Amino acid sequence: QSALTQPPSASGSPGQSVTISCTGTSSDVGGYNYVSWYQQYPGKAPKLMIYEVNKRPSGVPDRFSGSKSGNTASLTVSGLQAEDEADYYCSSYAASVPFVFGTGTKVTVL
Amino acid sequence: EVQLVESGGGLVQPGGSLRLSCEASGFTFSTYWMSWVRQAPGKGLEWVANIKPDGSSKYHADSVKGRFIISRDNAKNSLYLEMNSLRAEDTAVYYCARNPPFHHADYWGQGTLVIVSS
Repeated sequence: QSALTQPPSASGSPGQSVTISCTGTSSDVGGYNYVSWYQQYPGKAPKLMIYEVNKRPSGVPDRFSGSKSGNTASLTVSGLQAEDEADYYCSSYAASVPFVFGTGTKVTVL
Repeated sequence: EVQLVESGGGLVQPGGSLRLSCEASGFTFSTYWMSWVRQAPGKGLEWVANIKPDGSSKYHADSVKGRFIISRDNAKNSLYLEMNSLRAEDTAVYYCARNPPFHHADYWGQGTLVIVSS
């Protein structure tokens, strides 16, 4: 099972929006509504931001939203803030493995 | 408050063995799937293994199959990862994570570092 494809980097100015893509196949992202997104600061554990494509856990700001179209899922961060600067990973259920992660995207707030 | 605390990491020689532990608190451990996820230095996340709430079903990534074994002791609220025949490419921070329905990880431990080197 190959890793899901994410852009290595994304950036935006404070207040702007940034969207991160996560591309898989019909055997993972496209086949199931089990896409999740994780935020990770350097040296820290990942934190769940979105699950089941577009659901937000309690405590996650509504500036974070998720969507999916075909084999590509997306995470959008609206109203970008300095504390949003971090690495972001997508993950999907796949028929062959319970978790396949994306390659990761470093978000920079300019 | 949900807490997951890993331990057992360290420096081990290639071909050696190590046993990681994850102690859970703040939730009913015996009702959740649990996973191990690792992250090599400067790299992305990789799922390693997961286990059913009662321990009756276990799944391992191809990269560790036959060398690593996930297990749990619900009486001790603990998750384990027995790692044998360790290779340099197993060097990583190992996280335990809780898996509620369906197929995501809502709580993660702080991680424990495993270094495989001579």
